[in-house]
Amino acid sequence: DAKTTQPPSMDCAEGRAANLPCNHSTISGNEYVYWYRQIHSQGPQYIIHGLKNNETNEMASLIITEDRKSSTLILPHATLRDTAVYYCIVRVEGTDKLIFGTGTRLQVFP
Amino acid sequence: NAGVMQNPRHLVRRRGQEARLRCSPMKGHSHVYWYRQLPEEGLKFMVYLQKENIIDESGMPKERFSAEFPKEGPSILRIQQVVRGDSAAYFCASSPRSANYGYTFGSGTRLTVV
Repeated sequence: DAKTTQPPSMDCAEGRAANLPCNHSTISGNEYVYWYRQIHSQGPQYIIHGLKNNETNEMASLIITEDRKSSTLILPHATLRDTAVYYCIVRVEGTDKLIFGTGTRLQVFP
Repeated sequence: NAGVMQNPRHLVRRRGQEARLRCSPMKGHSHVYWYRQLPEEGLKFMVYLQKENIIDESGMPKERFSAEFPKEGPSILRIQQVVRGDSAAYFCASSPRSANYGYTFGSGTRLTVV
């Protein structure tokens, strides 16, 4: 079972920041948080991952709370092409497999 | 630097036939993972392989499904005697050493059983 909880859907206006929350209250100290997205039926696309510190790359920013029990993915200026299902994932401890939950379906509207 | 290559992109099989799905990982990646996505559902982990070894097959159906990652060549997911319920998108991902580095996914193979 997935170790994360996400809202099933969110809307965001084009050009605005999209903030996607994720709860992972049972995360262990050495487990990374990963974010992927799946546009329509394409292969999942890696976005970002982090352990303790906030991370930023060309796609997004990842804010992890100090207690590591939750995180937020930020798309600073959402575009219509960012419409997708966004998955927050914590690796299963002791394994190398990533278990996908149901994700958040982000709809960006004009 | 080619990404994860999966072929074929689309595969149609009649019930009872065999389906072979191929996955070539990214250059330098020695870990391969297979996932299945049924229509309107999320991705389900199937199997994790390293060269010549199956590391974790906890998500593989007990019958008809097998996977390999030989020393040379692509990883193969084989489904024998396909049934309509096997119709799905099958995604392969690879990583360089461990999942700590994240996966790179291929574009998937869409299997349709008629």
